[in-house]
Amino acid sequence: DAGITQSPRHKVTETGTPVTLRCHQTENHRYMYWYRQDPGHGLRLIHYSYGVKDTDKGEVSDGYSVSRSKTEDFLLTLESATSSQTSVYFCAISETADTQYFGPGTRLTVL
Amino acid sequence: QKEVEQNSGPLSVPEGAIASLNCTYSDRGSQSFFWYRQYSGKSPELIMFIYSNGDKEDGRFTAQLNKASQYVSLLIRDSQPSDSATYLCAVTEANDYKLSFGAGTTVTVRA
Repeated sequence: DAGITQSPRHKVTETGTPVTLRCHQTENHRYMYWYRQDPGHGLRLIHYSYGVKDTDKGEVSDGYSVSRSKTEDFLLTLESATSSQTSVYFCAISETADTQYFGPGTRLTVL
Repeated sequence: QKEVEQNSGPLSVPEGAIASLNCTYSDRGSQSFFWYRQYSGKSPELIMFIYSNGDKEDGRFTAQLNKASQYVSLLIRDSQPSDSATYLCAVTEANDYKLSFGAGTTVTVRA
């Protein structure tokens, strides 16, 4: 695996609570991404980053925010979790514009 | 919004046979095409990428691209039980760091 870790790996939380997922890389790659994966939908891009403090929205960004204060860390925050945000969340990194490598994933359950 | 469609599975093939996976995409501006393999409960891993029309071979895997027909395929020759996984097709425009994924095709190789 590329040097990508995600924390926590599993989390159960309640509706309305804030949740932050962390992605950490040791590859010094410029680009970082957050995806969610749901049955029947494949992987859908939530937010991405093209450098420190440079982020932009993906196709399913509503209800999510991100921050990247260091090259190695990319945080995904659910300000007020809802049951529709129950999913598996993957972080990915890349150095070139397109070839991406994925982290191990975080399984989030919102009750 | 790019649309990426994959043939619905699951696809069951006998050991030693050829598994054929298909993917179509809606955006004629798409330039880069990727196949990812995802084992159950694991993260996607890149197995092939192709940029030009024609065939690209890597071991038992062959990717085929036809931009005129907006079609990309993956052939797995001499299928092994270890090839049993979900295969994800992804596309992007030139120098675009946002991948659009299909929903995936699950392949089962039976011994």
